[in-house]
Amino acid sequence: DTEVTQTPKHLVMGMTNKKSLKCEQHMGHRAMYWYKQKAKKPPELMFVYSYEKLSINESVPSRFSPECPNSSLLNLHLHALQPEDSALYLCASSQEGSVDYDSPLHFGNGTRLTVT
Amino acid sequence: AQSVSQHNHHVILSEAASLELGCNYSYGGTVNLFWYVQYPGQHLQLLLKYFSGDPLVKGIKGFEAEFIKRKFSLNLRKPSVQWSDTAEYFCAVNGYGNKLVFGAGTILRVKS
Repeated sequence: DTEVTQTPKHLVMGMTNKKSLKCEQHMGHRAMYWYKQKAKKPPELMFVYSYEKLSINESVPSRFSPECPNSSLLNLHLHALQPEDSALYLCASSQEGSVDYDSPLHFGNGTRLTVT
Repeated sequence: AQSVSQHNHHVILSEAASLELGCNYSYGGTVNLFWYVQYPGQHLQLLLKYFSGDPLVKGIKGFEAEFIKRKFSLNLRKPSVQWSDTAEYFCAVNGYGNKLVFGAGTILRVKS
């Protein structure tokens, strides 16, 4: 079982709703990541927090707003999403502030988001 | 920009058959290479990784890979697949920073 916990597992929201995805890890990892995975596609990087600071934003629309309250928690706030934003949202963490051989990504199970 | 190519999108094998999944990357510098597996309904799990040294890499669950520098490849292998190996397999490359780039994935179905 994964040590990166994501809640909720499934979420259905309307285009005018505001919701949040949550991710938690207690491995003492220094970096946390949000990936988006559409059906039959590979995961695509959205955001990276390294040492609790946003280090990478892959030109993600502002309707997605990440937050890292502390080194163990990562949130993704959602507002005014579009149906095409429906996807599996994956959280990951790495031991060090960057990904490399000694610090690979550990993934959560994901949140399956459907925007109606 | 770095990119990753996986040659086969769907592979169907019978149990006990040998498996080889291709992965090529484009990046001129030193890279960190990974193979991840995603079983149905489960999270992405690290199968194996390569950075330097012995080009033959052992991973979990009987998987191994061979790094061929001149071909910019890290091909995943398993001598004898089982029904439980049915999953999607992703190759990933990180040349710098935190941008781990994934290949398109290969869906493996093993017939029992």
